[in-house]
Amino acid sequence: AQTVTQSQPEMSVQEAETVTLSCTYDTSENNYYLFWYKQPPSRQMILVIRQEAYKQQNATENRFSVNFQKAAKSFSLKISDSQLGDTAMYFCAFASLQGAQKLVFGQGTRLTINP
Amino acid sequence: SQTIHQWPATLVQPVGSPLSLECTVEGTSNPNLYWYRQAAGRGLQLLFYSVGIGQISSEVPQNLSASRPQDRQFILSSKKLLLSDSGFYLCAWSGGHPNTEAFFGQGTRLTVV
Repeated sequence: AQTVTQSQPEMSVQEAETVTLSCTYDTSENNYYLFWYKQPPSRQMILVIRQEAYKQQNATENRFSVNFQKAAKSFSLKISDSQLGDTAMYFCAFASLQGAQKLVFGQGTRLTINP
Repeated sequence: SQTIHQWPATLVQPVGSPLSLECTVEGTSNPNLYWYRQAAGRGLQLLFYSVGIGQISSEVPQNLSASRPQDRQFILSSKKLLLSDSGFYLCAWSGGHPNTEAFFGQGTRLTVV
């Protein structure tokens, strides 16, 4: 079974700084998908970014980018020029190509952006 | 556009009472449907998923059950709630391919007293 580990329960940075959230996972599969979801205080889960394991190029979405290290099974999220609205819980998630796109989530990192 | 509705938003129920949480999806057909539970300060745990009407798969043994009476309706139930059933419940849908985004409902905060 796949597992996802986020080793940083909480992080706090100043507005406009860059912050990196860590995620490692364990799987025996070669092809899969990885996601970062954001859960703001409203509790609504929002997709931030996704990465296909067969793509070597790291995904980027505006201020959000990932560092995908397949051999190390690492999938970190970098937020550049952080904004107050980035304050949220961030969850790393894994989806196998097999089955019904069941997402396996990490424990989450609570990120606070300070003014 | 697709939307997902989940209700109620908040629920306080006594131990031993029944439970019914409902989730409906609009604007798509034959979605994959999911129920997740989020314990306080924890990640999301998949409880049930469904790839079609009447098809339910359970991920963890528990006091809860799920049903899918219609294509875009997913119900989470319990005959007798336990204190340990308290938590934040999220319904989600996806198009079925692993690359597709999962869309989540607003969630239900359940407190069993």
